[in-house]
Amino acid sequence: AQSVAQPEDQVNVAEGNPLTVKCTYSVSGNPYLFWYVQYPNRGLQFLLKYITGDNLVKGSYGFEAEFNKSQTSFHLKKPSALVSDSALYFCAVRDRGAGSYQLTFGKGTKLSVIP
Amino acid sequence: EAQVTQNPRYLITVTGKKLTVTCSQNMNHEYMSWYRQDPGLGLRQIYYSMNVEVTDKGDVPEGYKVSRKEKRNFPLILESPSPNQTSLYFCASIPGGSNTEAFFGQGTRLTVV
Repeated sequence: AQSVAQPEDQVNVAEGNPLTVKCTYSVSGNPYLFWYVQYPNRGLQFLLKYITGDNLVKGSYGFEAEFNKSQTSFHLKKPSALVSDSALYFCAVRDRGAGSYQLTFGKGTKLSVIP
Repeated sequence: EAQVTQNPRYLITVTGKKLTVTCSQNMNHEYMSWYRQDPGLGLRQIYYSMNVEVTDKGDVPEGYKVSRKEKRNFPLILESPSPNQTSLYFCASIPGGSNTEAFFGQGTRLTVV
């Protein structure tokens, strides 16, 4: 079975400061990892993914994430937060060895960027 | 424009009254899936479909049905809705190829009273 943990329900950060949203995962094989963002009253938008190769993945809106296999983590980061980054963020995992497309999501982390 | 379309966006219904939430994608994706989103629980998979006429249960299938008669459509059916099915529902599709991300619909907010 695969699972994702997002240990923080909420993260508060001041505008202009760096932000980190944490994610750890568990899969039996090697993972595909994803970050999605949900703005109020909107669907989920894809931010970035880790498939293979460079452990630092760059995505939309200036976000990046670092894959750490030994710590089974995939933390989302941004060097300088904007108020418009305030949203709900979901980490998701898929087991590349399982032969399926099943995505498992974390419970989400609400990011609030304070002006 | 490539998209996943859900209807309706909002629905209030009464206990026991059958309803269907439609989902359609115009990207010729093989895989489609339904999730429900509840506060503090994240997204949980209800049902998924690997292709036409191939469906399977996800993590929380009780009280739901699905069908996949055409590649583009994947309706979610609640035969006898109950208040514990009040939730935000999302349909998603994934193209063939194992490293691709999912595309999500805009969501359907369902309230069962």
